[in-house]
Amino acid sequence: DGGITQSPKYLFRKEGQNVTLSCEQNLNHDAMYWYRQDPGQGLRLIYYSQIVNDFQKGDIAEGYSVSREKKESFPLTVTSAQKNPTAFYLCASSMAATPQETQYFGPGTRLLVL
Amino acid sequence: KQEVTQIPAALSVPEGENLVLNCSFTDSAIYNLQWFRQDPGKGLTSLLLIQSSQREQTSGRLNASLDKSSGRSTLYIAASQPGDSATYLCAVRPRAGNNRKLIWGLGTSLAVNP
Repeated sequence: DGGITQSPKYLFRKEGQNVTLSCEQNLNHDAMYWYRQDPGQGLRLIYYSQIVNDFQKGDIAEGYSVSREKKESFPLTVTSAQKNPTAFYLCASSMAATPQETQYFGPGTRLLVL
Repeated sequence: KQEVTQIPAALSVPEGENLVLNCSFTDSAIYNLQWFRQDPGKGLTSLLLIQSSQREQTSGRLNASLDKSSGRSTLYIAASQPGDSATYLCAVRPRAGNNRKLIWGLGTSLAVNP
């Protein structure tokens, strides 16, 4: 059953804590993306990766970090430097990072601050 | 700067009605336009992808059109059903700048009442 999985579904962060959101895909896609979704705002790109061991900043990368050590995995760390982390986080992938490719999305992780 | 606008922000219709959702964009230099569906608290599902050279795409009861010159796309839903209730998002892939990014509208929240 191919697709994108994100875990956990809900994540709680204490002040000053780093937390990591998991994103795994078994679609054999080269490109992966992280978006943040807030009420009343369009999706905003945090980071994207076109190939293993390479990633690029999106529009709102400050306070976040990523790694791409394996093709199927693209974890996102929300660091303590991100002062307003409460949001819905969506991971996506596409076959290649070419403009014609559609993006497939995971079910999302909702991050809440305690 | 490319901007994407979706009107109306919310729509409520009785079951069985045909309806049209609108998406407009400010810069016609795009690779493609994509329509997505998002159920509450869930990830996005790609519905239709229209390349810049295409005028429309159809999938089941859904038909999306693209008029690049006027910067408009419509998503037509025939014979609406309560299961169509969701938020519908459109996104464009611009030719200018970083074409790895999608530019998103804020969505139209659709309620189909039985």
